[in-house]
Amino acid sequence: NAGVMQNPRHLVRRRGQEARLRCSPMKGHSHVYWYRQLPEEGLKFMVYLQKENIIDESGMPKERFSAEFPKEGPSILRIQQVVRGDSAAYFCASSSIEIETQYFGPGTRLLVL
Amino acid sequence: AQSVTQLDSQVPVFEEAPVELRCNYSSSVSVYLFWYVQYPNQGLQLLLKYLSGSTLVKGINGFEAEFNKSQTSFHLRKPSVHISDTAEYFCAVRGDSGTYKYIFGTGTRLKVLA
Repeated sequence: NAGVMQNPRHLVRRRGQEARLRCSPMKGHSHVYWYRQLPEEGLKFMVYLQKENIIDESGMPKERFSAEFPKEGPSILRIQQVVRGDSAAYFCASSSIEIETQYFGPGTRLLVL
Repeated sequence: AQSVTQLDSQVPVFEEAPVELRCNYSSSVSVYLFWYVQYPNQGLQLLLKYLSGSTLVKGINGFEAEFNKSQTSFHLRKPSVHISDTAEYFCAVRGDSGTYKYIFGTGTRLKVLA
């Protein structure tokens, strides 16, 4: 029973490049959540998606960040024109229904040079 | 609005000694409470959760936590720690209805010394 999968685990980008982070939820889960963990801080909610729908993106920066969860395939968090301040660990979580416990993936650690 | 406070950023403790990691929350609604553990360069693993019922919750790896509504606390305890418990521990809260956002504390780094 595979858990939440994220790839890549580590990603290095230069300023101005694009970063694409992928998340495959647990089997049977159709709710996906993205969180960001800055150094020495707790996780902060970014966005909540269901299949083909963004339910809540109130935690996402207004510019350069976007997320999707297509009918087929993983959820993608996309960061365009990355800056050094985007360096962080990005965690994906999934749940079977909205009110249930969220299970977290191993995270993608993004380093912007 | 909800918030979580983990007052201790680091807790050193000797192996086989007991430990308590503190978590306090504020919320105007009833909440669900969680403790997660994060080993270096890994994701978050659920240790235990309080949804309802008994205020003493037992989790994995010998950890337990007690929900205290009057003190708005959910402290994590283990009677005897092992070196392998060295990790970062996060307390999190979410509202019991109409919200899916987890609010996390800043974490407590537990370092178990030999």
